Order: sequence, then C-alpha cells, then structure tokens
Amino acid sequence: KAGVTQTPRYLIKTRGQQVTLSCSPISGHRSVSWYQQTPGQGLQFLFEYFSETQRNKGNFPGRFSGRQFSNSRSEMNVSTLELGDSALYLCASSLEIPGQGNTGELFFGEGSRLTVL
Amino acid sequence: GQSLEQPSEVTAVEGAIVQINCTYQTSGFYGLSWYQQHDGGAPTFLSYNGLDGLEETGRFSSFLSRSDSYGYLLLQELQMKDSASYFCAVRYGNKLVFGAGTILRVKS
Repeated sequence: KAGVTQTPRYLIKTRGQQVTLSCSPISGHRSVSWYQQTPGQGLQFLFEYFSETQRNKGNFPGRFSGRQFSNSRSEMNVSTLELGDSALYLCASSLEIPGQGNTGELFFGEGSRLTVL
Repeated sequence: GQSLEQPSEVTAVEGAIVQINCTYQTSGFYGLSWYQQHDGGAPTFLSYNGLDGLEETGRFSSFLSRSDSYGYLLLQELQMKDSASYFCAVRYGNKLVFGAGTILRVKS
C-alpha cells in the first residue's frame, strides 16, 4: 500500500509569490490534515479535511488556505509569501472519522520543504 | 488555548531507560498520542492512551494520568537508532495538537 505522497518535496520561492502544495493520502483514507513544522516549534496545525469539508482550522492567517477533492487528495495554498513561511509542510492522512473515538493515528508524508527568499 | 509541555532535549546512553514527560491542558481532552521523527523523516505514530494506565509496545511504553493531566513515553534498552525527536499530541475535539518535541540523543 502506497504511503502519503507530497509534492513537490523541495521548492524555493521569493517573498510575495504564492505556492501550492499537493498531498495524496493513503488509499481509503478520507481525513487529511496539514501541519507546518519549524525548528523548535513542533508541528503547528493548519487545517483538517474530511470528505471535501474543512473540519478544523488552526491559527494561521487567511493567506493559508486548502481544499480537498472528491478523491481525498488535498492541496494547500499560501499566498503573498513571507520569509517566516519557510518551513516543512507536512500532510497526514487517517482512517479516522471526526468525532468518532479517534486515536490520533496519523500517517505522515515526507513533507514539502519551502524556502522563501 | 491548548498547549502541551515536554522537555526540549534528553540525553541517555545505549542500553539505558529514558522517560519523556508531557503535560497538557485538560479542556476538551480526548487522548494522548506519541510520535517519533528522525532527522529528515516523516513523523511516525508510536502509541495512544485514551484511558489512564500503561500501554506497552515492545521496548516502548506510554502512560497516561488524566487526573494529573500528564503522560510519559518510556523507552527501554535504548539503541542508537532511537535518537530522534519525540512528540506528544493531544486530540482536542477534532483537532490534534502537538507539543514542541523532545530531542533524544543516545550516546554509546
């Protein structure tokens, strides 16, 4: 069974540009969540999707957005990039259904490492 | 807000036992999970505690005390390959919140 696939793995952008990151979850997983990881900050929750609906959103500005397609694939977009957006963006998929006794078992992709110059 | 606290770094020798603690806020708490992340790698799920007590999986055990808003990950018979970052995570409703992570360095 293929794992979570994220593309691109690495990218470099300049301030003011926008970026779109893609995530293909494990087959059969309908929950997809996104996290930003920076040194010393752990994983900061961005958003969670289930069946094309955003279930939760973290405390990030409106420049960060996402969506999920009918095949459970997800994308996130960051507009008007700032230097502080440089980070590893991790996508995770899960079999769990929101609100139903979940264990927090997420399957993470390798991440997309974004550098903003 | 919802925050978790864990030590930033722990060092231990091969063969030893190490405990990584995690304290959390109680509001809306559902359960405590642990993840391992090697440098440059993806976080991988280690364990989950939904109820008080100890869960054991091989050399790793995880403990939860809901009355103390506290849990820990116990690693026994440490090996060099256990050098990694370890994150506790708490599910609040539909959101999984992670701690800042503990870097475990295993020395020979």
